[in-house]
Amino acid sequence: GAGVSQTPSNKVTEKGKYVELRCDPISGHTALYWYRQSLGQGPEFLIYFQGTGAADDSGLPNDRFFAVRPEGSVSTLKIQRTERGDSAVYLCASSLRPGGYNEQFFGPGTRLTVL
Amino acid sequence: KQEVTQIPAALSVPEGENLVLNCSFTDSAIYNLQWFRQDPGKGLTSLLLIQSSQREQTSGRLNASLDKSSGRSTLYIAASQPGDSATYLCAAPWSGAGSYQLTFGKGTKLSVIP
Repeated sequence: GAGVSQTPSNKVTEKGKYVELRCDPISGHTALYWYRQSLGQGPEFLIYFQGTGAADDSGLPNDRFFAVRPEGSVSTLKIQRTERGDSAVYLCASSLRPGGYNEQFFGPGTRLTVL
Repeated sequence: KQEVTQIPAALSVPEGENLVLNCSFTDSAIYNLQWFRQDPGKGLTSLLLIQSSQREQTSGRLNASLDKSSGRSTLYIAASQPGDSATYLCAAPWSGAGSYQLTFGKGTKLSVIP
């Protein structure tokens, strides 16, 4: 079956602009995660959805970042007033159910470049 | 706070050699441990997942072990091939984080020389 998909694969924007990054999880997966990976680093947690609600947004770096999952499937990560430091690969992952024993499956990522 | 460390940061070996990648974590209260492969400019490919109750998992030329009490996991690659060249990441969901998010190491960049 289809895996996790993310669009766009690449996004180049100018400082101060608004961007939206989309994640389509595996069908039927209730848990969804966003991570951010800077060059040379491992991915770092941003936000976790259990169904439609953001159960944990403690990893969001500041209030310019926001994410939604209105119907419990597709999620959108929104970044306002982008800064050069936001440049990174944004990864989405989903798992069948919440809980630490459930494997997370990752999408290919969106590479964001802020000029 | 959980911290995951991977040693070495980079490794270069001749083709055909067996090799071991190391991963250590500071808090043993993990649910499982996953090993991923990441090719340049690409996403993460899951290689092996070891549940906390298991000691090891095998897939083809790959064998991963887990020792929770010592906070260590190893990924063993047998008969390495140039196609194995990539960055290898380990990660674990920590029970201290209520959302079960993965804590990642920085990875080991492997180069297999033909």
